[in-house]
Amino acid sequence: DTAVSQTPKYLVTQMGNDKSIKCEQNLGHDTMYWYKQDSKKFLKIMFSYNNKELIINETVPNRFSPKSPDKAHLNLHINSLELGDSAVYFCASSLGQGAETQYFGPGTRLLVL
Amino acid sequence: AQTVTQSQPEMSVQEAETVTLSCTYDTSESDYYLFWYKQPPSRQMILVIRQEAYKQQNATENRFSVNFQKAAKSFSLKISDSQLGDAAMYFCALGEYGNKLVFGAGTILRVKS
Repeated sequence: DTAVSQTPKYLVTQMGNDKSIKCEQNLGHDTMYWYKQDSKKFLKIMFSYNNKELIINETVPNRFSPKSPDKAHLNLHINSLELGDSAVYFCASSLGQGAETQYFGPGTRLLVL
Repeated sequence: AQTVTQSQPEMSVQEAETVTLSCTYDTSESDYYLFWYKQPPSRQMILVIRQEAYKQQNATENRFSVNFQKAAKSFSLKISDSQLGDAAMYFCALGEYGNKLVFGAGTILRVKS
């Protein structure tokens, strides 16, 4: 009965590799997000999708590409991983685009060696 | 641009005592929401409390309450009867229409038994 789930929980990989993180929500929400939490615990929005349509795209390198196959899923693909990509990535969802409460997944800790 | 400032990197409280975490924010919008999220060592982001800017009444959730001062752009969190399980990092966040959450840097709360 997990509301927002992410896989994998941990990801260790080499520089230059390509990896994906998957997110699924079973709350029936229309809007989903990706946030990045850096080593200093600072959280910043990366992307937001509403009903499969991209609505927020912060200044993120184009090595990061989100994909929303349906409104319950939002995946994050990262090409050519760099050391600075090491962080915790959180998926979240909310009912809509108004400032509703966002519910977060458990996070994916990515370590790039 | 929206900003959220948490001026206390770390706070300590004795079990059963009360502690207040500070947050100030800046926004040019008149309609927005404010949130406190808790992040325990498990790294899960848990919603603690939410406040709509148009409501004058301060939000309360059991032992958690806020002091929302709209003119001063201040949104502090009061935790009463502190428990060991309250130990976590607490993030203040500002949400506007379009639903990008802007987070503060966080305050680590330590609870002493």
